[in-house]
Amino acid sequence: NAGVTQTPKFQVLKTGQSMTLQCAQDMNHNSMYWYRQDPGMGLRLIYYSASEGTTDKGEVPNGYNVSRLNKREFSLRLESAAPSQTSVYFCASRDFNSGNTIYFGEGSWLTVV
Amino acid sequence: EDQVTQSPEALRLQEGESSSLNCSYTVSGLRGLFWYRQDPGKGPEFLFTLYSAGEEKEKERLKATLTKKESFLHITAPKPEDSATYLCAVRNAGGTSYGKLTFGQGTILTVHP
Repeated sequence: NAGVTQTPKFQVLKTGQSMTLQCAQDMNHNSMYWYRQDPGMGLRLIYYSASEGTTDKGEVPNGYNVSRLNKREFSLRLESAAPSQTSVYFCASRDFNSGNTIYFGEGSWLTVV
Repeated sequence: EDQVTQSPEALRLQEGESSSLNCSYTVSGLRGLFWYRQDPGKGPEFLFTLYSAGEEKEKERLKATLTKKESFLHITAPKPEDSATYLCAVRNAGGTSYGKLTFGQGTILTVHP
């Protein structure tokens, strides 16, 4: 049971480049999330998907887009990367059947130079 | 707006020296207070969910308690392997961010042998 899997683990981008972070969960969860974690800022919600076919903005959506490809997969796209998007990104999914617990992936370290 | 404040920011303990971490919160209708553990370079790992004042949960050397304004994570006779960042988060009763967690900035715990 892999849980929540994110790729890539590490990525360096130049300003203006685009990339997509991939996330997949094998726990049959309906809701999925993308968070970013920055020193002194804690974890902040970028986008979420309450269920397959729906997506909504979180606290810090500017500069990002998401796609809920199917129930398992939820991708995060940076169309034109900026240094302010240097961060650690975590994908997560929510288990309605076990106290609504949110489970996180291992993280993706992104540096924009 | 939901707010979560954790204290202290960092805590150093000797092995076997018990202590507590604090999580103060303001939320519009609490629908769960969550504790996570995060090791360096890893994603947050779920520990506990508390729902109502007076509730307590235990796991090995950790015990989480909840009041109407704060939660404590008590660590009894800690070991070096308990060293990690401990994150507190709350979920509110509704709003547009379905299932969204608001996180505190975490307490970095270091346990010396």
